[in-house]
Amino acid sequence: DQQVKQNSPSLSVQEGRISILNCDYTNSMFDYFLWYKKYPAEGPTFLISISSIKDKNEDGRFTVFLNKSAKHLSLHIVPSQPGDSAVYFCAASDSGGSNYKLTFGKGTLLTVNP
Amino acid sequence: KAGVTQTPRYLIKTRGQQVTLSCSPISGHRSVSWYQQTPGQGLQFLFEYFSETQRNKGNFPGRFSGRQFSNSRSEMNVSTLELGDSALYLCASSLGRGETQYFGPGTRLLVL
Repeated sequence: DQQVKQNSPSLSVQEGRISILNCDYTNSMFDYFLWYKKYPAEGPTFLISISSIKDKNEDGRFTVFLNKSAKHLSLHIVPSQPGDSAVYFCAASDSGGSNYKLTFGKGTLLTVNP
Repeated sequence: KAGVTQTPRYLIKTRGQQVTLSCSPISGHRSVSWYQQTPGQGLQFLFEYFSETQRNKGNFPGRFSGRQFSNSRSEMNVSTLELGDSALYLCASSLGRGETQYFGPGTRLLVL
């Protein structure tokens, strides 16, 4: 059973526009959420995270929104740049649990067109 | 500060062989986790080590094992390799349990 879902395998946007990547989760014990960016043949690079006590976190061009009641989070990238083209993974964890681990979505391939 | 390093970066083995992968965490990080990435299954958790103790294990067969040394460096071992073990193996380190995990570049394993 897939506890973290990224329903859009791919997304294409124009340079300068907003990119919105979505993620849904089913496990109500998840309380810490992260977004990673991954280029081919490299490991995931940490982008931004959010704790369940907040509903928004910003870092430069990246903003993550969390809707706990809907078990949904999204990553906004504004403005999008060609260098943002990569696979984006959403990950979730139960940070207080004894079985700590990250559960990942399958990823969304973002293509930013010049 | 140097990032997470993994060796080797690429490896080709044949079925039935065993393999050992190495991970050096970011200096000061005591928690090391391992993940397997395949096209079909995505990123899946293998195990987590903290202070030389395995704290958590994913749903993988006993052929997959690991250990952590006193300097926090970690190794994972896969015995009796199968074709399906071909994957990118990623190591991630964090200051402690529940902290943000930072990933290494991975080891690409191909089993023929």
